[in-house]
Amino acid sequence: TQLLEQSPQFLSIQEGENLTVYCNSSSVFSSLQWYRQEPGEGPVLLVTVVTGGEVKKLKRLTFQFGDARKDSSLHITAAQPGDTGLYLCAGAGAGGTSYGKLTFGQGTILTVHP
Amino acid sequence: EPEVTQTPSHQVTQMGQEVILRCVPISNHLYFYWYRQILGQKVEFLVSFYNNEISEKSEIFDDQFSVERPDGSNFTLKIRSTKLEDSAMYFCASSETSLADTQYFGPGTRLTVL
Repeated sequence: TQLLEQSPQFLSIQEGENLTVYCNSSSVFSSLQWYRQEPGEGPVLLVTVVTGGEVKKLKRLTFQFGDARKDSSLHITAAQPGDTGLYLCAGAGAGGTSYGKLTFGQGTILTVHP
Repeated sequence: EPEVTQTPSHQVTQMGQEVILRCVPISNHLYFYWYRQILGQKVEFLVSFYNNEISEKSEIFDDQFSVERPDGSNFTLKIRSTKLEDSAMYFCASSETSLADTQYFGPGTRLTVL
């Protein structure tokens, strides 16, 4: 069973602070996707990272894929209340197989207080 | 922007009844998926589908489950005889040209089995 451990599970911070969410696994993934999910809705794609060591930026969000493609991080700079939500990482192609099967982390619930 | 749609948004059924959950994937996408999320738990892979065949299925996807692409636009998940533990959000997703492509999710169907 491929596991993707996401941490922290809960994060409560003040507006303007920086934060990092981590996803770690013992499996190598062909790609890793980050989603944001609002209550009662489906996951909405933020970014896909494919190459080991890849860094992608989306405004104040920076995503990194580990060199070995086993881990990833999401860093938010100067968090705003609008960033509040559930963030999910999901790995594809664990162990070089099952390319169409996404393995999800348990999610990080972020609350940014004004 | 093209999006995955799902109907109904909420389905309530009695234990033992059959349900069909419907999805319209993004129009030029060729790969289709179903995931489920039990309240408070991780999003879990159920099945991937391509060229009118199942590509991969999880251990959750037993004989009670089936998928079908009845026409050129719809993709359905049928649960033959629902159980209480089938209560969950069911998400459909699609990807463009390969199993390794980014998956885009629909808004989900909340299934409640009484």
